[in-house]
Amino acid sequence: AQKVTQAQTEISVVEKEDVTLDCVYETRDTTYYLFWYKQPPSGELVFLIRRNSFDEQNEISGRYSWNFQKSTSSFNFTITASQVVDSAVYFCALSEARVDNNDMRFGAGTRLTVKP
Amino acid sequence: DAGITQSPRHKVTETGTPVTLRCHQTENHRYMYWYRQDPGHGLRLIHYSYGVKDTDKGEVSDGYSVSRSKTEDFLLTLESATSSQTSVYFCAISAPRGALNTEAFFGQGTRLTVV
Repeated sequence: AQKVTQAQTEISVVEKEDVTLDCVYETRDTTYYLFWYKQPPSGELVFLIRRNSFDEQNEISGRYSWNFQKSTSSFNFTITASQVVDSAVYFCALSEARVDNNDMRFGAGTRLTVKP
Repeated sequence: DAGITQSPRHKVTETGTPVTLRCHQTENHRYMYWYRQDPGHGLRLIHYSYGVKDTDKGEVSDGYSVSRSKTEDFLLTLESATSSQTSVYFCAISAPRGALNTEAFFGQGTRLTVV
């Protein structure tokens, strides 16, 4: 069975601080996919990144970076020099490779508040 | 933005009444999903579809049914609404051209209140 744990329910930082959102997953499959989504106060879900289980290379996109470590089953997300606009709920998700089921299992989310 | 439209966007209904939520896509994606979002639980899968007339249950399917008679439409029905089904419902689509495990794109959400 697949499971995603985001242990940090809420995080509050001051603008320009770096912040890391943790994501730990469980799966018995060797082929799987990991995702991060952002849900700003307006409520929509915005896709941020997709990573497959065979690609452990870390990724950087502007102020965002992701650290994927299979050895610890973690896929952590770091925001560098946080801004007020980063305030949102962030979800980590896991999808196992199935032909007839492509669903994603989500963590409970981490609410990030960035104060000016 | 992916072409996904949910209707209605807001609904208040009484306990025991049937409710149908509609998800319409213009992207020709193979997979469609219904999730519910509740505080402390993130998004939980209700039902999904992997093709026309092909559907299956998700994690929290009790009290819900779905139908997909066309590629573009996926309906979620609450046969007899209960207060525990008060939630925000999201439709999602994925897998353009049969690709697997692509990212999902979500609709705007439907806020359902059962009184």
